[in-house]
Amino acid sequence: DTAVSQTPKYLVTQMGNDKSIKCEQNLGHDTMYWYKQDSKKFLKIMFSYNNKELIINETVPNRFSPKSPDKAHLNLHINSLELGDSAVYFCASSRTSGGAYNEQFFGPGTRLTVL
Amino acid sequence: AQSVTQLDSQVPVFEEAPVELRCNYSSSVSVYLFWYVQYPNQGLQLLLKYLSGSTLVKGINGFEAEFNKSQTSFHLRKPSVHISDTAEYFCAVRTPLGGNTPLVFGKGTRLSVIA
Repeated sequence: DTAVSQTPKYLVTQMGNDKSIKCEQNLGHDTMYWYKQDSKKFLKIMFSYNNKELIINETVPNRFSPKSPDKAHLNLHINSLELGDSAVYFCASSRTSGGAYNEQFFGPGTRLTVL
Repeated sequence: AQSVTQLDSQVPVFEEAPVELRCNYSSSVSVYLFWYVQYPNQGLQLLLKYLSGSTLVKGINGFEAEFNKSQTSFHLRKPSVHISDTAEYFCAVRTPLGGNTPLVFGKGTRLSVIA
Protein backbone atom coordinates (compact mmCIF):
# COMPACT_ATOMS: atom_id res chain seq x y z
CA ASP A 1 0.00 0.00 0.00
CA THR A 2 1.40 3.36 -1.03
CA ALA A 3 1.52 5.80 1.89
CA VAL A 4 1.62 9.02 -0.14
CA SER A 5 0.62 8.79 -3.77
CA GLN A 6 0.65 11.38 -6.53
CA THR A 7 -0.89 11.44 -9.97
CA PRO A 8 0.27 11.81 -12.60
CA LYS A 9 3.91 10.77 -12.31
CA TYR A 10 4.82 12.64 -15.50
CA LEU A 11 3.07 15.65 -16.99
CA VAL A 12 4.10 17.27 -20.27
CA THR A 13 2.12 20.28 -21.43
CA GLN A 14 2.26 23.48 -23.43
CA MET A 15 2.81 26.96 -22.06
CA GLY A 16 -0.42 28.66 -21.11
CA ASN A 17 -2.31 25.50 -20.25
CA ASP A 18 -3.94 24.73 -16.90
CA LYS A 19 -3.09 21.47 -15.14
CA SER A 20 -3.68 19.70 -11.82
CA ILE A 21 -1.63 17.31 -9.73
CA LYS A 22 -3.35 15.12 -7.19
CA CYS A 23 -2.01 13.85 -3.89
CA GLU A 24 -3.49 11.35 -1.46
CA GLN A 25 -2.16 9.94 1.79
CA ASN A 26 -3.49 6.92 3.66
CA LEU A 27 -1.46 7.44 6.83
CA GLY A 28 -4.12 9.28 8.78
CA HIS A 29 -1.97 12.41 8.90
CA ASP A 30 -3.54 15.83 9.33
CA THR A 31 -0.89 18.01 7.70
CA MET A 32 0.04 17.93 4.03
CA TYR A 33 2.64 19.84 2.03
CA TRP A 34 3.69 20.67 -1.49
CA TYR A 35 7.40 21.05 -2.23
CA LYS A 36 9.02 22.07 -5.52
CA GLN A 37 12.33 20.60 -6.66
CA ASP A 38 13.99 22.63 -9.40
CA SER A 39 16.39 21.49 -12.09
CA LYS A 40 19.31 21.83 -9.68
CA LYS A 41 17.58 19.48 -7.22
CA PHE A 42 16.86 22.28 -4.74
CA LEU A 43 13.76 21.52 -2.67
CA LYS A 44 11.59 24.30 -1.34
CA ILE A 45 8.26 24.39 0.47
CA MET A 46 5.33 25.86 -1.44
CA PHE A 47 2.28 25.22 0.73
CA SER A 48 1.18 23.37 3.81
CA TYR A 49 -2.32 22.51 4.95
CA ASN A 50 -3.48 21.40 8.36
CA ASN A 51 -6.95 19.85 8.60
CA LYS A 52 -7.86 21.38 5.23
CA GLU A 53 -6.74 24.84 6.34
CA LEU A 54 -3.92 26.69 4.57
CA ILE A 55 -1.03 27.22 7.00
CA ILE A 56 1.90 28.19 4.81
CA ASN A 57 2.02 29.93 1.44
CA GLU A 58 5.61 30.65 0.54
CA THR A 59 5.58 33.50 -1.99
CA VAL A 60 4.19 31.27 -4.67
CA PRO A 61 2.55 32.97 -7.69
CA ASN A 62 -1.23 33.20 -7.63
CA ARG A 63 -1.31 30.86 -10.61
CA PHE A 64 -0.74 28.05 -8.12
CA SER A 65 -3.82 27.15 -6.12
CA PRO A 66 -3.82 24.26 -3.68
CA LYS A 67 -7.09 22.64 -2.70
CA SER A 68 -7.71 20.25 0.15
CA PRO A 69 -11.14 18.59 -0.10
CA ASP A 70 -10.40 16.52 3.01
CA LYS A 71 -7.50 15.68 5.31
CA ALA A 72 -6.30 12.86 3.07
CA HIS A 73 -6.05 14.88 -0.15
CA LEU A 74 -4.14 17.95 -1.25
CA ASN A 75 -4.33 18.83 -4.92
CA LEU A 76 -2.31 21.44 -6.76
CA HIS A 77 -3.84 23.36 -9.65
CA ILE A 78 -1.64 25.50 -11.85
CA ASN A 79 -3.06 28.09 -14.25
CA SER A 80 -1.35 29.60 -17.29
CA LEU A 81 1.70 27.36 -17.07
CA GLU A 82 5.08 28.96 -17.74
CA LEU A 83 8.43 27.46 -18.74
CA GLY A 84 9.80 28.17 -15.26
CA ASP A 85 7.17 25.93 -13.71
CA SER A 86 9.02 22.90 -15.06
CA ALA A 87 10.14 20.98 -11.98
CA VAL A 88 9.42 17.96 -9.86
CA TYR A 89 6.61 18.56 -7.39
CA PHE A 90 6.54 16.49 -4.21
CA CYS A 91 3.63 16.02 -1.90
CA ALA A 92 4.32 15.12 1.74
CA SER A 93 2.35 14.51 4.90
CA SER A 94 2.96 14.35 8.62
CA ARG A 95 1.13 14.05 11.90
CA THR A 96 0.77 17.33 13.77
CA SER A 97 0.45 15.95 17.29
CA GLY A 98 3.85 15.18 18.72
CA GLY A 99 5.35 18.25 17.12
CA ALA A 100 7.98 18.96 14.50
CA TYR A 101 9.97 15.85 15.35
CA ASN A 102 7.50 13.76 13.36
CA GLU A 103 8.70 12.41 10.08
CA GLN A 104 7.34 13.86 6.89
CA PHE A 105 6.49 11.16 4.36
CA PHE A 106 7.01 12.04 0.73
CA GLY A 107 5.23 10.94 -2.40
CA PRO A 108 7.13 9.75 -5.48
CA GLY A 109 6.94 13.15 -7.17
CA THR A 110 5.35 14.52 -10.33
CA ARG A 111 7.73 15.63 -13.06
CA LEU A 112 6.15 18.59 -14.84
CA THR A 113 7.61 19.67 -18.16
CA VAL A 114 6.29 22.82 -19.78
CA LEU A 115 7.11 23.21 -23.48
CA ALA B 1 14.95 32.17 9.37
CA GLN B 2 16.83 28.96 8.93
CA SER B 3 19.26 27.91 6.23
CA VAL B 4 21.17 24.77 5.42
CA THR B 5 24.46 24.52 3.56
CA GLN B 6 25.69 21.27 2.08
CA LEU B 7 29.28 21.97 1.26
CA ASP B 8 29.74 19.37 -1.45
CA SER B 9 27.44 19.13 -4.44
CA GLN B 10 29.00 15.86 -5.60
CA VAL B 11 30.99 13.19 -3.75
CA PRO B 12 32.46 10.27 -5.69
CA VAL B 13 33.73 7.38 -3.59
CA PHE B 14 34.87 3.84 -4.25
CA GLU B 15 32.80 0.91 -3.06
CA GLU B 16 33.58 -0.21 0.52
CA ALA B 17 35.34 3.09 1.28
CA PRO B 18 34.07 5.39 4.06
CA VAL B 19 32.19 8.56 3.22
CA GLU B 20 31.23 11.79 4.97
CA LEU B 21 28.63 14.20 3.61
CA ARG B 22 28.87 17.61 5.21
CA CYS B 23 26.01 19.76 6.43
CA ASN B 24 26.03 23.08 8.26
CA TYR B 25 22.98 25.00 9.37
CA SER B 26 22.10 28.47 10.53
CA SER B 27 19.19 29.31 12.81
CA SER B 28 18.32 31.84 15.49
CA VAL B 29 16.31 29.17 17.33
CA SER B 30 16.94 25.55 18.13
CA VAL B 31 16.07 23.19 15.30
CA TYR B 32 15.50 19.56 14.61
CA LEU B 33 17.90 18.07 12.08
CA PHE B 34 17.19 15.50 9.41
CA TRP B 35 18.91 13.62 6.62
CA TYR B 36 16.83 12.39 3.69
CA VAL B 37 17.90 10.24 0.74
CA GLN B 38 16.47 10.39 -2.76
CA TYR B 39 17.18 7.43 -5.01
CA PRO B 40 16.95 8.03 -8.76
CA ASN B 41 13.42 8.89 -9.87
CA GLN B 42 11.99 8.33 -6.42
CA GLY B 43 10.67 10.39 -3.53
CA LEU B 44 12.54 11.24 -0.36
CA GLN B 45 13.11 8.74 2.42
CA LEU B 46 14.16 9.61 5.96
CA LEU B 47 17.60 8.31 6.94
CA LEU B 48 17.83 9.70 10.45
CA LYS B 49 16.88 12.64 12.64
CA TYR B 50 18.16 14.48 15.70
CA LEU B 51 16.36 16.41 18.38
CA SER B 52 18.44 16.20 21.52
CA GLY B 53 20.39 13.79 23.65
CA SER B 54 23.32 11.79 22.34
CA THR B 55 25.02 13.72 19.56
CA LEU B 56 25.65 10.56 17.53
CA VAL B 57 22.52 9.37 15.77
CA LYS B 58 22.21 6.07 13.95
CA GLY B 59 19.88 5.68 11.00
CA ILE B 60 18.90 3.16 8.40
CA ASN B 61 21.21 1.45 5.92
CA GLY B 62 24.26 1.80 8.19
CA PHE B 63 24.33 5.61 8.14
CA GLU B 64 25.02 7.75 11.16
CA ALA B 65 25.31 11.47 11.80
CA GLU B 66 26.95 13.56 14.47
CA PHE B 67 25.53 16.80 15.77
CA ASN B 68 28.07 19.47 16.70
CA LYS B 69 26.42 22.46 18.30
CA SER B 70 29.51 24.68 18.42
CA GLN B 71 30.13 24.16 14.71
CA THR B 72 26.42 24.05 13.84
CA SER B 73 27.08 20.94 11.83
CA PHE B 74 25.30 17.65 11.28
CA HIS B 75 27.58 15.56 9.05
CA LEU B 76 26.44 12.20 7.69
CA ARG B 77 28.82 9.25 7.64
CA LYS B 78 28.99 5.65 6.57
CA PRO B 79 32.03 3.45 7.24
CA SER B 80 31.68 1.36 4.08
CA VAL B 81 29.49 2.32 1.13
CA HIS B 82 27.79 0.08 -1.41
CA ILE B 83 26.84 0.67 -5.00
CA SER B 84 23.22 0.87 -3.85
CA ASP B 85 24.03 3.97 -1.78
CA THR B 86 24.33 6.00 -4.99
CA ALA B 87 21.69 8.70 -4.53
CA GLU B 88 21.05 12.34 -3.68
CA TYR B 89 21.29 13.17 0.03
CA PHE B 90 19.54 16.12 1.60
CA CYS B 91 20.16 17.68 4.97
CA ALA B 92 17.18 19.55 6.41
CA VAL B 93 16.11 21.47 9.50
CA ARG B 94 12.76 22.14 11.05
CA THR B 95 11.82 24.53 13.84
CA PRO B 96 10.10 22.94 16.83
CA LEU B 97 7.27 25.46 16.70
CA GLY B 98 4.64 22.90 15.92
CA GLY B 99 3.76 19.80 14.05
CA ASN B 100 3.06 21.52 10.75
CA THR B 101 6.25 23.45 10.18
CA PRO B 102 7.95 22.72 6.86
CA LEU B 103 11.40 21.31 6.27
CA VAL B 104 14.12 23.67 5.07
CA PHE B 105 16.49 21.76 2.83
CA GLY B 106 20.06 22.12 1.73
CA LYS B 107 20.84 21.90 -1.96
CA GLY B 108 21.72 18.23 -1.77
CA THR B 109 24.86 16.16 -2.24
CA ARG B 110 25.08 13.64 -5.02
CA LEU B 111 26.87 10.52 -3.75
CA SER B 112 28.27 8.35 -6.54
CA VAL B 113 29.69 5.00 -5.49
CA ILE B 114 32.20 3.60 -7.95
CA ALA B 115 32.77 -0.12 -8.33
